[in-house]
Amino acid sequence: GAGVSQSPRYKVAKRGQDVALRCDPISGHVSLFWYQQALGQGPEFLTYFQNEAQLDKSGLPSDRFFAERPEGSVSTLKIQRTQQEDSAVYLCASSPTGGAASYLYGYTFGSGTRLTVV
Amino acid sequence: EDKVVQSPLSLVVHEGDTVTLNCSYEVTNFRSLLWYKQEKKAPTFLFMLTSSGIEKKSGRLSSILDKKELFSILNITATQTGDSAVYLCAAGNMLTFGGGTRLMVKP
Repeated sequence: GAGVSQSPRYKVAKRGQDVALRCDPISGHVSLFWYQQALGQGPEFLTYFQNEAQLDKSGLPSDRFFAERPEGSVSTLKIQRTQQEDSAVYLCASSPTGGAASYLYGYTFGSGTRLTVV
Repeated sequence: EDKVVQSPLSLVVHEGDTVTLNCSYEVTNFRSLLWYKQEKKAPTFLFMLTSSGIEKKSGRLSSILDKKELFSILNITATQTGDSAVYLCAAGNMLTFGGGTRLMVKP
């Protein structure tokens, strides 16, 4: 696609509910990143995929967070048993190359999913 | 732990003013520093800086990197109301972002 597409745009979940957030990167992009952005703060890294391989998940805040990219294109971020502190905008970004070279091309961000846990 | 700090936190100016936004960084594996503009949700790419002292320019926006002092500045001249946004800088592995500078340009 022309840009990075994320769905849904907005999600309201009751505390304890499971949610799944989808990211469609730019076609052919190798690298895919998930970030969490709390209100009034900068995005914080969650996890990184190079094709289908999850190479870094050091930013996932707890084992309730799980991400996958089984075919190296679309990715899903799943949050189990949502808590109020999970309320944030979840941003996905992709880059055409992998590894060190990804930094040289910058990342294209999607519009994000705003998750509100009530 | 990688750290990126931006200042000021927020700024209110009038159209036509010039602003300078600051970004300092301490990252273990520096390859580039990136600036983004965030108006609604999606940060949009402005600049990528990899070399010290080389100014990058796009219209009224310009940016420069100092790898010795570990900082970058983003300048916006002749500001317009459309420049109102949060400006983010990021560096390091997996992009560590600063907290952003919220710029408001009044008519």
